[in-house]
Amino acid sequence: AQKITQTQPGMFVQEKEAVTLDCTYDTSDPSYGLFWYKQPSSGEMIFLIYQGSYDQQNATEGRYSLNFQKARKSANLVISASQLGDSAMYFCAMRVSPYGGSQGNLIFGKGTKLSVKP
Amino acid sequence: ETGVTQTPRHLVMGMTNKKSLKCEQHLGHNAMYWYKQSAKKPLELMFVYNFKEQTENNSVPSRFSPECPNSSHLFLHLHTLQPEDSALYLCASSHVASGGHPDTQYFGPGTRLTVL
Repeated sequence: AQKITQTQPGMFVQEKEAVTLDCTYDTSDPSYGLFWYKQPSSGEMIFLIYQGSYDQQNATEGRYSLNFQKARKSANLVISASQLGDSAMYFCAMRVSPYGGSQGNLIFGKGTKLSVKP
Repeated sequence: ETGVTQTPRHLVMGMTNKKSLKCEQHLGHNAMYWYKQSAKKPLELMFVYNFKEQTENNSVPSRFSPECPNSSHLFLHLHTLQPEDSALYLCASSHVASGGHPDTQYFGPGTRLTVL
């Protein structure tokens, strides 16, 4: 079964420190993509970063980096130099192959609520 | 307008009402999606439209009826809803190359629906 697991319901981090949000995934498909989204209290899901299953290097986007460990099936999000505006829900998602009939749709985890303390 | 817009942002309706949610994307994408986000549950995919054709319906009750008149607009028609349908409804869009993976999905701000 294809599944995304986020084991941290809530996390606290001090402003300006780095934080790692955990994500593990389960799929038997060799081709997949992993995404992280941020959802502030306003509700909008904001795309942060993407990692393809065949990508050799970890993805980075500004202060966001994805620690991709394929053998462990983990795709943790690292936020460096946390800011107060980083306080939000963070969702890990997996896109599975379109060949299974799912059209490459996203499967989401339950999310982690990050609170940045001043 | 840029990105993905949704109207209304908030909606309160009775169980006998009929209402519609609207989504519009300004990104030139060819696929659009409806998701439901309930408290303490993962995001649930409801409908997918790919090149204006519905390609997925994840066992959604018939009281939810989608409509995609063109690749830029997506509607969700609501009738005789139940209180448990109260949730945040998110629309998303992406580009899909023929026979390939969809690209990154971009989301709208959502409509927060309350059914009394």
